[in-house]
Amino acid sequence: KQEVTQIPAALSVPEGENLVLNCSFTDSAIYNLQWFRQDPGKGLTSLLLIQSSQREQTSGRLNASLDKSSGRSTLYIAASQPGDSATYLCAVVSQGAQKLVFGQGTRLTINP
Amino acid sequence: EAGVAQSPRYKIIEKRQSVAFWCNPISGHATLYWYQQILGQGPKLLIQFQNNGVVDDSQLPKDRFSAERLKGVDSTLKIQPAKLEDSAVYLCASSVGTVGQPQHFGDGTRLSIL
Repeated sequence: KQEVTQIPAALSVPEGENLVLNCSFTDSAIYNLQWFRQDPGKGLTSLLLIQSSQREQTSGRLNASLDKSSGRSTLYIAASQPGDSATYLCAVVSQGAQKLVFGQGTRLTINP
Repeated sequence: EAGVAQSPRYKIIEKRQSVAFWCNPISGHATLYWYQQILGQGPKLLIQFQNNGVVDDSQLPKDRFSAERLKGVDSTLKIQPAKLEDSAVYLCASSVGTVGQPQHFGDGTRLSIL
């Protein structure tokens, strides 16, 4: 059974800092991994999707990496801004399955 | 393109009452998902439809939860009778296909059980 863990549960940093969010998963046989953003009272917005054959994906100030062999992914946010404050969730689709399995999320606060 | 639409946004009921949620996916999306997100946790899949057929309902508490997707378009999720532990946000998502396709989420229905 696939399990996804995100550490830390909450993170608070000053504006302008670069930061890294961590995600680990127990079964390395994955189809892909996604990072989502969730604002309070809202649904999930997909940020980056990494296929199992890829090592990283980039979008603007965001960079996500994937290391299947160690069961880890990181989301790097450069030059953080107060508007980046949200909960960030990672989720994986295991090979042979179709559903997303989510971590519990990291609640990020960027202080002006 | 219009996003995934869900209603109502909020619902408050007493335990043992029944409640229903509605979801209209993005036009042309064959796959529809219902997730339950308890406060402080990640979403958990309750049921997945491919067109109007059920693909995965292994985590749906079938003694009290039911879902249908008539005509392969919009969907309803029902809880009867509700328990205190059903307090959560119910999220609907849709995708063009199945494996590996990005899922697009609605804003969810926040359910509070008194």
